[in-house]
Amino acid sequence: QKEVEQDPGPLSVPEGAIVSLNCTYSNSAFQYFMWYRQYSRKGPELLMYTYSSGNKEDGRFTAQVDKSSKYISLFIRDSQPSDSATYLCAMSGTFGNEKLTFGTGTRLTIIP
Amino acid sequence: GAVVSQHPSWVICKSGTSVKIECRSLDFQATTMFWYRQFPKQSLMLMATSNEGSKATYEQGVEKDKFLINHASLTLSTLTVTSAHPEDSSFYICSARVASGTQYFGPGTRLLVL
Repeated sequence: QKEVEQDPGPLSVPEGAIVSLNCTYSNSAFQYFMWYRQYSRKGPELLMYTYSSGNKEDGRFTAQVDKSSKYISLFIRDSQPSDSATYLCAMSGTFGNEKLTFGTGTRLTIIP
Repeated sequence: GAVVSQHPSWVICKSGTSVKIECRSLDFQATTMFWYRQFPKQSLMLMATSNEGSKATYEQGVEKDKFLINHASLTLSTLTVTSAHPEDSSFYICSARVASGTQYFGPGTRLLVL
């Protein structure tokens, strides 16, 4: 069993829709949870990170962590074609002092 | 913001040759850099952690004699794929860690070994 599971998609939604991306994990030591966006043939770009359980909002993006269920989500409101990319979740036990464990990434396409 | 560059962005080489990939932090100093490999439709897999002035720490299953890492300065780490073979063809990405702990990734280097 992988430490981090993420549905690879592909996921296609119409422009303006709310997108929900999710990851589950098995390691209860994970405390920090990150979402990266990766455009084709580019390196990942950090979108947001959260610590422990709870929600964090940044513009159109909301990250949600439920440690009791070992489940994290990224919501994108008012999705735009420019949001089309692969979204990777990543997590670690401490912030910055441990390697990141990545999900496989979900390929998202926003249809104009 | 923190910018990380990689060079070259893509490289094609013959089997048996060595290829060097550079990773630079352009506007900050990074005591720690990471090297990842990403196969098509798969996630990033950490290969090694590179610390300035010391030997790299390799992940299990990564051959340290094949993937040579040098982190000679606070802004430069290099990965050399020695005696490359077609199965080494992949997307190699580095990241650099800033003081806050956040990792910033380079744009990646696509390697094709013929």
